[in-house]
Amino acid sequence: QQQVKQSPQSLIVQKGGISIINCAYENTAFDYFPWYQQFPGKGPALLIAIRPDVSEKKEGRFTISFNKSAKQFSLHIMDSQPGDSATYFCAASLTGFQKLVFGTGTRLLVSP
Amino acid sequence: DVKVTQSSRYLVKRTGEKVFLECVQDMDHENMFWYRQDPGLGLRLIYFSYDVKMKEKGDIPEGYSVSREKKERFSLILESASTNQTSMYLCASSPTPRTGGSYEQYFGPGTRLTVT
Repeated sequence: QQQVKQSPQSLIVQKGGISIINCAYENTAFDYFPWYQQFPGKGPALLIAIRPDVSEKKEGRFTISFNKSAKQFSLHIMDSQPGDSATYFCAASLTGFQKLVFGTGTRLLVSP
Repeated sequence: DVKVTQSSRYLVKRTGEKVFLECVQDMDHENMFWYRQDPGLGLRLIYFSYDVKMKEKGDIPEGYSVSREKKERFSLILESASTNQTSMYLCASSPTPRTGGSYEQYFGPGTRLTVT
């Protein structure tokens, strides 16, 4: 049973636009929500992460918004650039547990 | 810089062959993971290990086994490869946080395995 649902599967955004990727989770015990970025031919790498005690976390052009009551979190990429074109995965886990549950991924293409 | 290396980038094997995928990390991490990545299915955990000689099944362990004889090395074994095991295999490692904090997983570049 998939525990983290991610949408959309693919996304095309114009340069300078805002990219938004959404995830929903089922297990209310999850308390760590990272986003990973994967470029072609590379393994995923941690981009940004949030814990449910805050509703938003921003690092540069990347922001996670977190809605605990709706069990949803999203990644916003402001001023999207062609170099942001990659596959993005959301994930969730429990503190103290090493396993991450990943979403199915979103392939983002930022057109020049 | 953490480095996770995988023995092969591309591998072609025949149905029924025994296949070994090797992963080495250089940061003394306690935890190591094997995932497979398939389009539309994301990353699915096959096995993970939290210590030498320790292993736990992930979500899709059927048809796979693992070995961890040394802390830095984690091997994935396909006892008898089948065509439905054609996939991208990713290895990752992570430290165990000392105070219950977050733990980043560091991934290798992946091995694309084709079973014909």
